[in-house]
Amino acid sequence: DGGITQSPKYLFRKEGQNVTLSCEQNLNHDAMYWYRQDPGQGLRLIYYSQIVNDFQKGDIAEGYSVSREKKESFPLTVTSAQKNPTAFYLCASSLADFQSYNEQFFGPGTRLTVL
Amino acid sequence: GQQVMQIPQYQHVQEGEDFTTYCNSSTTLSNIQWYKQRPGGHPVFLIQLVKSGEVKKQKRLTFQFGEAKKNSSLHITATQTTDVGTYFCAGRITGGGNKLTFGTGTQLKVEL
Repeated sequence: DGGITQSPKYLFRKEGQNVTLSCEQNLNHDAMYWYRQDPGQGLRLIYYSQIVNDFQKGDIAEGYSVSREKKESFPLTVTSAQKNPTAFYLCASSLADFQSYNEQFFGPGTRLTVL
Repeated sequence: GQQVMQIPQYQHVQEGEDFTTYCNSSTTLSNIQWYKQRPGGHPVFLIQLVKSGEVKKQKRLTFQFGEAKKNSSLHITATQTTDVGTYFCAGRITGGGNKLTFGTGTQLKVEL
């Protein structure tokens, strides 16, 4: 059963703690993305990776960090430096689209609440 | 700031009425994709448009890409309760690399 998994679905953390959200895909996609979704603001790109061991900042990278050590995995760490971390986080993947434009496949998301 | 805007932000319709959402970019887009997110779910790809002035149809849904490649629209004919959700446009800004910029989304509610 191919797809993207994100865990956990709901996550609660105390203010000041770092937290890592997992994202795994078995679609054999080279590109992976992390988005943040807030009401009324659509999806905003945090980080993306076109290939293993390489990643680029998106529009709102401050307070976040990522790694891409394996093709299948793209974990996102929300650090204590992120001022408003409570949000719905979506991971996506796609074929590497250097020559064409490919659709993105999304995981079910993780809803992070910082208390 | 947000470079791709959608209007309206919310739309309530009676079942059977038509619905249109508009997507406007401040810069030229290389392509436009449309996604649908059901309540409590995640975005799912609907379609992609690449050519200037392109029009594509999927049953009751009609997608259009503007001649200047700065705007797009999604029109649903005779809405059904299954159309409920938030519709997002997303495009690659010309010269902006391979990342997608998503629109702000239009939330559609359909009442019986």
